[in-house]
Amino acid sequence: GAGVSQSPRYKVAKRGQDVALRCDPISGHVSLFWYQQALGQGPEFLTYFQNEAQLDKSGLPSDRFFAERPEGSVSTLKIQRTQQEDSAVYLCASSLGGAANTGELFFGEGSRLTVL
Amino acid sequence: QKEVEQDPGPLSVPEGAIVSLNCTYSNSAFQYFMWYRQYSRKGPELLMYTYSSGNKEDGRFTAQVDKSSKYISLFIRDSQPSDSATYLCAMRNNNDMRFGAGTRLTVKP
Repeated sequence: GAGVSQSPRYKVAKRGQDVALRCDPISGHVSLFWYQQALGQGPEFLTYFQNEAQLDKSGLPSDRFFAERPEGSVSTLKIQRTQQEDSAVYLCASSLGGAANTGELFFGEGSRLTVL
Repeated sequence: QKEVEQDPGPLSVPEGAIVSLNCTYSNSAFQYFMWYRQYSRKGPELLMYTYSSGNKEDGRFTAQVDKSSKYISLFIRDSQPSDSATYLCAMRNNNDMRFGAGTRLTVKP
């Protein structure tokens, strides 16, 4: 596609449920980022992939959060045993170059997760 | 203290006003400085991208970076109602990219 695509756009989960959020980056983009954006806040870094390698996962808030990009293209962010504090918009972004690149990050529209 | 500080506003101005948005940062390793615009329920989109200290102009928008003071600004001239959005400053060092909290701007007709 022409841009970064995320699905689902909206997800409501009961506390304790597992959720999976999908990101389709722009074709050919090497770098992929996940961010968490709480209401009224800026995006907070979660994790970074260069191709299939997860080079930085320092922003993942707990071991309930897991991300993968097995073939260096589509990525999935999985949250196990969701808690109310996980409610946020999860943004995916991709960039053409690798870790040292200076290129623009292109964002998807985000997946809005609400945990009841 | 957060690495990037940005006043969240909200900021409300009349159409045609000059808008000034600012961020400060603490990590001197940041090399690239950006401003993103985010409309409600949308992802951020890049507005301005600068590397060195100084000014960069693009139409009605001017980005200013002062690395010695760790301070960046975005100026919007002749503001329009369509400029109403949240403006996020962002700073990058390789794959480490950090955002400010965003300033919510409303331009009233």
